[in-house]
Amino acid sequence: KQEVTQIPAALSVPEGENLVLNCSFTDSAIYNLQWFRQDPGKGLTSLLLIQSSQREQTSGRLNASLDKSSGRSTLYIAASQPGDSATYLCAARTGANNLFFGTGTRLTVIP
Amino acid sequence: DGGITQSPKYLFRKEGQNVTLSCEQNLNHDAMYWYRQDPGQGLRLIYYSQIVNDFQKGDIAEGYSVSREKKESFPLTVTSAQKNPTAFYLCASSMGQHSNQPQHFGDGTRLSIL
Repeated sequence: KQEVTQIPAALSVPEGENLVLNCSFTDSAIYNLQWFRQDPGKGLTSLLLIQSSQREQTSGRLNASLDKSSGRSTLYIAASQPGDSATYLCAARTGANNLFFGTGTRLTVIP
Repeated sequence: DGGITQSPKYLFRKEGQNVTLSCEQNLNHDAMYWYRQDPGQGLRLIYYSQIVNDFQKGDIAEGYSVSREKKESFPLTVTSAQKNPTAFYLCASSMGQHSNQPQHFGDGTRLSIL
């Protein structure tokens, strides 16, 4: 069964710093990998989706990469802002309805 | 605006009571999903539906039931058989069963025991 791990569980950085969030998965036979943002008490907001055939996706200050062979994905956030503070979740899809989630990294950007 | 609406935002259940969580979407998505989120754990799939009048069990379906009578609606009932129902419940939808489609989520319902 697919297992998805996110390290660290929590991260604090000063405003303006570039940062990388990590996601690893045990089964490399994935269809895609999706990054989400979750604010406290809220649902998930989709940030980026990388298909298995892609190496990276970019949206504004966010860049997500995927290395299937090593079972890793990273989310790079450039020039972090206090509004980026949230929990970031990654999820690996191994079938039509099998989306396996990590437990998330809680990011705090300090003004 | 198109989106997924979950209601209520907060729900309390008494012992032995069944409660139903609502999920409505106006995205014209075929597939809908219910997840449960517990502190320190990743989201876990309860049930999913790929088309109207069809649904399948996920990883933790025991103590839950669903229906899919309309494309827009996928209500989840937490039955008295679910002994640990306190959690944050999230509904999601996607365009179809195709694996390259992203899932979109509602704002969740927090269920607590009285």
